[in-house]
Amino acid sequence: DAGVIQSPRHEVTEMGQEVTLRCKPISGHDYLFWYRQTMMRGLELLIYFNNNVPIDDSGMPEDRFSAKMPNASFSTLKIQPSEPRDSAVYFCASSLSGLGSYNEQFFGPGTRLTVL
Amino acid sequence: LAKTTQPISMDSYEGQEVNITCSHNNIATNDYITWYQQFPSQGPRFIIQGYKTKVTNEVASLFIPADRKSSTLSLPRVSLSDTAVYYCLVVPGGYQKVTFGTGTKLQVIP
Repeated sequence: DAGVIQSPRHEVTEMGQEVTLRCKPISGHDYLFWYRQTMMRGLELLIYFNNNVPIDDSGMPEDRFSAKMPNASFSTLKIQPSEPRDSAVYFCASSLSGLGSYNEQFFGPGTRLTVL
Repeated sequence: LAKTTQPISMDSYEGQEVNITCSHNNIATNDYITWYQQFPSQGPRFIIQGYKTKVTNEVASLFIPADRKSSTLSLPRVSLSDTAVYYCLVVPGGYQKVTFGTGTKLQVIP
């Protein structure tokens, strides 16, 4: 398997523009996670899905952020309008449930977002 | 979820064994101890998980005492490529929502 795929790898945009980040989870995984990482706040969980349904979006910073998972192989994280403080690395991860122990999460390479 | 405490940073010379200890005093009966590794400019990568005693794989060993209130990640004979941030997580079995703390930044020195 190719692992978790994210696009774009780098995004530079201007304040006020809409930004869409994309993620393809590992085939067969039923959980998908979106994280954001900054120097100041570390790695934060924004939202996660189970079987394409959002389970917990308490980490989404504000209404400017939205995430969708229209099918098992694709998810988007959208920021509209973007602000300089949204600059960060955004990671997508997926995992497979059904195990009794903790379920390993597989992370994508991340999207480095810079909002000018 | 159990709170974890680990050193912010550590330095080690190449070839040495590195032990990173994580404290988790309020660990629950159904919690598992999991470690992730994150290289610069990459996403975290799962390296090892355990419940009690000792677990070993090709990357590391995890030592967990009987009371499970702490755990030690052991990296044998580190190389420069082991320079990374190491995160200790304590998570209930099957639980999906996890919190990555600040981790331990390991710097391997030539």
